[in-house]
Amino acid sequence: NAGVMQNPRHLVRRRGQEARLRCSPMKGHSHVYWYRQLPEEGLKFMVYLQKENIIDESGMPKERFSAEFPKEGPSILRIQQVVRGDSAAYFCASSRESGQLSGNTIYFGEGSWLTVV
Amino acid sequence: AQSVTQLGSHVSVSEGALVLLRCNYSSSVPPYLFWYVQYPNQGLQLLLKYTTGATLVKGINGFEAEFKKSETSFHLTKPSAHMSDAAEYFCAVSEGGNNRLAFGKGNQVVVIP
Repeated sequence: NAGVMQNPRHLVRRRGQEARLRCSPMKGHSHVYWYRQLPEEGLKFMVYLQKENIIDESGMPKERFSAEFPKEGPSILRIQQVVRGDSAAYFCASSRESGQLSGNTIYFGEGSWLTVV
Repeated sequence: AQSVTQLGSHVSVSEGALVLLRCNYSSSVPPYLFWYVQYPNQGLQLLLKYTTGATLVKGINGFEAEFKKSETSFHLTKPSAHMSDAAEYFCAVSEGGNNRLAFGKGNQVVVIP
């Protein structure tokens, strides 16, 4: 089953460390999205990427957070100098195409749960 | 910017009873609307979606939703609740299918035997 694959599923980091979350999109999908789910909240959009391009990063915190989707390999969400408030579930999603007329379904991975201690 | 309102964070329903989860949206352009289900410690699974065409949309597991433009609503229903329906349900909207989803805060559904 070539669904959206995320790893690690669970990650524990001490304050000040770096967290790297990886996402491999579904086969044939070239659009990747990252969402964050804080406790008792719905998912919030963070960033939208295509291969080697950041299309929309309007939901990304201005500092410490970055994302990439290289030509080869998975998409990476990187959080530097983590703080307790970064503890959340981070979901990756992918789609085949984008655009107003596409209506393509977005498929979500099972998430990466980050705990900052 | 698009947004979604889901009232009542926790919803209890008796097994066999009607499941009704309300969703109201705000969008400046014709919306694409979605319902997702999330089981504990798992990702989101698409239940159903509305893009264009028929306003009554049928999804998986016996769920359906009706798009009502005049009410800016997309309520989710299932005639008879099953124990396996216990999960969290999220309504989401994207403006014109731009694939950037705005989610509601979710409804945690508890099914009472």
